[in-house]
Amino acid sequence: LAKTTQPISMDSYEGQEVNITCSHNNIATNDYITWYQQFPSQGPRFIIQGYKTKVTNEVASLFIPADRKSSTLSLPRVSLSDTAVYYCLVGDYGSSNTGKLIFGQGTTLQVKP
Amino acid sequence: DTGVSQDPRHKITKRGQNVTFRCDPISEHNRLYWYRQTLGQGPEFLTYFQNEAQLEKSRLLSDRFSAERPKGSFSTLEIQRTEQGDSAMYLCASSPLPTLRSEFGQYFGPGTRLTVT
Repeated sequence: LAKTTQPISMDSYEGQEVNITCSHNNIATNDYITWYQQFPSQGPRFIIQGYKTKVTNEVASLFIPADRKSSTLSLPRVSLSDTAVYYCLVGDYGSSNTGKLIFGQGTTLQVKP
Repeated sequence: DTGVSQDPRHKITKRGQNVTFRCDPISEHNRLYWYRQTLGQGPEFLTYFQNEAQLEKSRLLSDRFSAERPKGSFSTLEIQRTEQGDSAMYLCASSPLPTLRSEFGQYFGPGTRLTVT
């Protein structure tokens, strides 16, 4: 599975847009990019997944350039409740694979008032 | 609520004791995973079931660890002769079998926090 690199921590203020970039230089053709959010003492929560270009849902947007060697999770207008650890993962989750997730250390986002 | 549930949420045990955790996945999900998470680290994969078959085990899963999913529904994770190094959050996740163009994501339970004294 492709290795990912993301900042260890980020700070932001309420109401700002936050962009967390993840590098995955060795991403394979069949790999998808997935982001999870984790609050203290809770399990990770799936946020968004994409393969290329842009994906948007009610929580976030995911921007993936044409070479797919990086991706950016965009959180619009963050609030204090968005303070969490954000994990970027890449992998081939097709039915021929187990679908196991390989987590790195993630990015700890601290939103300040 | 039809999410993934885990029981107990917290467990304190003395070194050398056996412990068992239970996970109830989302009912229609074929795939079930166990992960372990220590403080400041991301979750680490332990094992994977597709229905009742255990198809993959991590090298992290020593002989003291065993997991079952007898009827393809709930799963149990047992740790025998616990050691202090087993102290961690044990997370269970489930997912359906992915279709070719479906969005994929694992749904995690709240975890069981194990403290071995």
